[in-house]
Amino acid sequence: DAGITQSPRYKITETGRQVTLMCHQTWSHSYMFWYRQDLGHGLRLIYYSAAADITDKGEVPDGYVVSRSKTENFPLTLESATRSQTSVYFCASTPTGIYGYTFGSGTRLTVV
Amino acid sequence: TQLLEQSPQFLSIQEGENLTVYCNSSSVFSSLQWYRQEPGEGPVLLVTVVTGGEVKKLKRLTFQFGDARKDSSLHITAAQPGDTGLYLCAGESAGGTSYGKLTFGQGTILTVHP
Repeated sequence: DAGITQSPRYKITETGRQVTLMCHQTWSHSYMFWYRQDLGHGLRLIYYSAAADITDKGEVPDGYVVSRSKTENFPLTLESATRSQTSVYFCASTPTGIYGYTFGSGTRLTVV
Repeated sequence: TQLLEQSPQFLSIQEGENLTVYCNSSSVFSSLQWYRQEPGEGPVLLVTVVTGGEVKKLKRLTFQFGDARKDSSLHITAAQPGDTGLYLCAGESAGGTSYGKLTFGQGTILTVHP
């Protein structure tokens, strides 16, 4: 199916564990983004990518790692999960910003 | 860092009332977008405005981009319970290498009571 898919939808993990959130888009959009959404903070940019093998930090990158070896995939890894990383994570893509983002349905991550 | 201030943060109204949500910044944006988000889902794009002074209408929703491209408003006429949700404004920075990045406002939670 065409679109942007995030997996898993829900994840519970323990403090200190490594977790990878997956994001896949079928449009070959150049730009992809990872945001976290928390009450009182809105959507905050973690990392973004302008093309395969081109990534850069956003507003809150600490504790996260990304890669983009293929245009369609943009996984986000929490190297050693902390409770402060409990959040809802959204992946988005766009051919260019003016066309607007298409968001995935999100991953609700709980770190216990 | 560009900031977008959205107001009000919460809005609770009765069906049939009109409302306006504001999005303000001291920075100039090349475009400004409005999204609507329902619980458990990602934001969905409603509209993009590009030209200063631009007005776009989407059924009962009217979007306006300020002349200086620093602010925007969303006006809903005769609100309905189906309009309930989180409304987010987002701006793409003007000039430089924006990489398509958007800055999001904090959002307005709208509740329309039957």
